[in-house]
This record gives sequence, C-alpha cells and structure tokens, in this order.
Amino acid sequence: EVQLVQSGAEVKKPGESLKISCKGSGYSFTTYWIGWVRQMPGKGLEWMGIIYPGDSDTRYSPSFQGQVTISADKSISTAYLQWSSLKASDTAMYYCARAVAGGRFEYWGQGTLVTVSS
Amino acid sequence: DIQMTQSPSSLSASVGDRVTITCQASQDISKDLNWYQQKPGKAPKLLIYDASNLETGVPSRFSGSGSGTDFTFTISSLQPEDIATYYCQQYNNLLLTFGGGTKVEIK
Repeated sequence: EVQLVQSGAEVKKPGESLKISCKGSGYSFTTYWIGWVRQMPGKGLEWMGIIYPGDSDTRYSPSFQGQVTISADKSISTAYLQWSSLKASDTAMYYCARAVAGGRFEYWGQGTLVTVSS
Repeated sequence: DIQMTQSPSSLSASVGDRVTITCQASQDISKDLNWYQQKPGKAPKLLIYDASNLETGVPSRFSGSGSGTDFTFTISSLQPEDIATYYCQQYNNLLLTFGGGTKVEIK
C-alpha cells in the first residue's frame, strides 16, 4: 500500500528555521516525483515545487523560488520542505503528494500544519 | 507561468442536479489537466486526470472534458457526499498550477 506520512504539526516564531518531512512507503521512492502544496487558512491549493528523488532534480513555482528549499534523502525514502527564516505568512497546511507523469497527484500525505506566531 | 481561471468560485445545487465547473488555461495545455475533490479537513483526492480519464474507484457520475485552454468538470447527479471544494490543476513541463477552487454546497 502506497503511503506518504508527514511529520507533525509545528509552532514556530518568526525568523526561526524549519524542516518538515514526508516519508514514502509501499513503492519505489526514487522513481516518482514528490510535490509540495500549500494551503493557507480558508484558501485554495498552491503548488510550491516538485522533486525527483532518484536524481534530486527539483523545480519550483516562481512564487516560491528562493523562499523554500525542497530536498530528498532517498536512503530513507523521505522528502523535505524547509525554511531558513519563517514569516507569519508561512502559516498554512502543507501537503506532500506523489506525482505520476510529472503532474498527476495520485497519493497525498495527511498534511503538516505550520503555525508561525510571535 | 500558466494561469488557471476556474468558475464559479461557489455554487449551490439540489441533490440530483447536474453540476458543471469550468477551468480556462492562459495558454494551450493540450490535455494536461486534472481535477481534485477536497473535503473539509482532508487532503485533496484525484478524480479526473488528463482532462477526461476517471481515476480508479471514482464514481462514474464524475466526468471531465476539454483540451487546449477550455475544460469542463461535471457531476451528473449531485449527491450529498459530493459537498466539497473542487480544483483543477494543470501540469506543463513540470510547472504546475491549481485553479482557485469551486465550493459546492447543497441547496
């Protein structure tokens, strides 16, 4: 059974760093893209970026380029989304999802809620 | 980047009604268009891929059509469990975009 299990909710202060994770199981982690999607409170879905764990090829939405870093450790079948300096506006639910054919998200993680508040 | 304009942003319909949502791309995306359903507090769920293909296990009352820049998503007979927000999503050269979403409610 394909599963994507994300790390737990985080509460951080502005300016702090953060790295959240998404662990894949039940399939060959290196042969599918993993994408990250943001959903701010009460708002729609926003695509942030996507990584191919097999060779770490990474693409970013122009809206998120330079704001976050996406990475993966194929040895432990885990993808990451990280911030070096959080802002209150980063408060959101973040989902990872497995992509087929570069763009079809068949399987989703349960989401990680990130709250940034002073 | 490609923009996706989804309409309406919300709609209210009766059980058994036919519901239609449209999505327009800012440039030709062939059939690189997917549709998702998101219920409150849950992760999105893929319903339709490549504009018109029904994902395995998804009820046949859901369908999609279109190509190029104009796409349509239809629920042929709205059921109470279909209350959710629906999103279109394009993928073009690994640069993805979601539409703004359509919240479907029961009248």
